[in-house]
This record gives sequence, structure tokens and C-alpha cells, in this order.
Amino acid sequence: ETGVTQTPRHLVMGMTNKKSLKCEQHLGHNAMYWYKQSAKKPLELMFVYNFKEQTENNSVPSRFSPECPNSSHLFLHLHTLQPEDSALYLCASSQSEQGADGYTFGSGTRLTVV
Amino acid sequence: RKEVEQDPGPFNVPEGATVAFNCTYSNSASQSFFWYRQDCRKEPKLLMSVYSSGNEDGRFTAQLNRASQYISLLIRDSKLSDSATYLCVVKGPGGGNKLTFGTGTQLKVEL
Repeated sequence: ETGVTQTPRHLVMGMTNKKSLKCEQHLGHNAMYWYKQSAKKPLELMFVYNFKEQTENNSVPSRFSPECPNSSHLFLHLHTLQPEDSALYLCASSQSEQGADGYTFGSGTRLTVV
Repeated sequence: RKEVEQDPGPFNVPEGATVAFNCTYSNSASQSFFWYRQDCRKEPKLLMSVYSSGNEDGRFTAQLNRASQYISLLIRDSKLSDSATYLCVVKGPGGGNKLTFGTGTQLKVEL
């Protein structure tokens, strides 16, 4: 596989469920990101990992818990979500956090909280 | 003031037309600039970087005006396949060196 892959593509979960989103990049990049995209809003940065270390948590509620076991994998653990958390969750990677390069995005997980 | 501001559109243009989008950014220390394209219900994809001297890639021309803090994208000879949302993107250091996205400008190219 190449690029950035995200699973699942779609997820419907109840407010009391626990689920996880998975992201894997095959580009040899060292930085990975979680973004949230809601309708009519710009992409919102949630978390940044650089060389497996979290370098930014953009005031994200604790019901979202990221995990980065290595530079190629990134997870977003979800629990007790709210309906307003329904959105497209995008994972991205880049060569480094400090570089002037753009990001490569995965196809996203479209999450619906019911 | 929003960090990155774009006219949401939609811009409805006939096939073959030339269309231009502008974007303004608030942080004068921003260092890197990009245009991304996002098709409906798909992920954003890098269209082109924007360099200080301006740059061209086929039918697409990007320009940067640091003094006025705006970026532009010109599309010549529009194709139906150009229909998408175009995201203006700015990178730090003011934003912690991460990408900051505009809300996007929607383009619809019609027959």
C-alpha cells in the first residue's frame, strides 16, 4: 500500500460506545496529524505527533484520545462522544513538522454519533 | 479576524473561462503557502505550493503578495473536472509551524 490509509471509512456510534480510528502512512514521514472537518468550517487541527511524540494538543476534549505507537501509525480513541462530534476525521502526514512541505491526507473517517 | 480568509463562493463559470480566487492571511510571519483541492466527500490534495516569485503549473498560476498578505490562484481554460473546493493553506511559524486552512472556495465549471 502507498500513501496514507485510514480505517474505517465510515463509522456510526452511540454516545456510550468506545471506538478507535486508525491511520497508517507508508511514506516514511516523521510527523502525523489528526484534523476534524465539520460542514462549512475549515479543517481544525486536533493533534500533532513528531517522531512519535505529541507536540500539540489543540484544546481537544478528553473524550478524544490519540495514540502514536510509531512514526507510521496513529490512532484516535473515541469514548462518550456527543452528536456535535459528527464530522470527517482526517489523518495527515508530512516529512517533518518543521519542514516547508505540504501534507498528505488519508481519505478520512466519516463519523456519525447518534 | 480569521487566520486564513477566503470567499466561499460558489463561483459558477462556463467551461473555458478563466477564474481567480484570492485568499488573505493574518499572520505576517507565515512562511509557506499552498493551494489544496478538495472534491466532494474526499480528502484535500495538494494542488501546488505558492512561491514568492509566483509559479505556474499548466493552467494553474499561483501568486503571493507578502506586503498585502494575500495569495491568489488563477485557473485558465477551466475544465469540468476543475469543479471542486479550493483551500488556501498557510504554514507557521506563527501557527506553530502547522498548516492552517481556509474554509475553501467552491468552483463549479458548467457546460
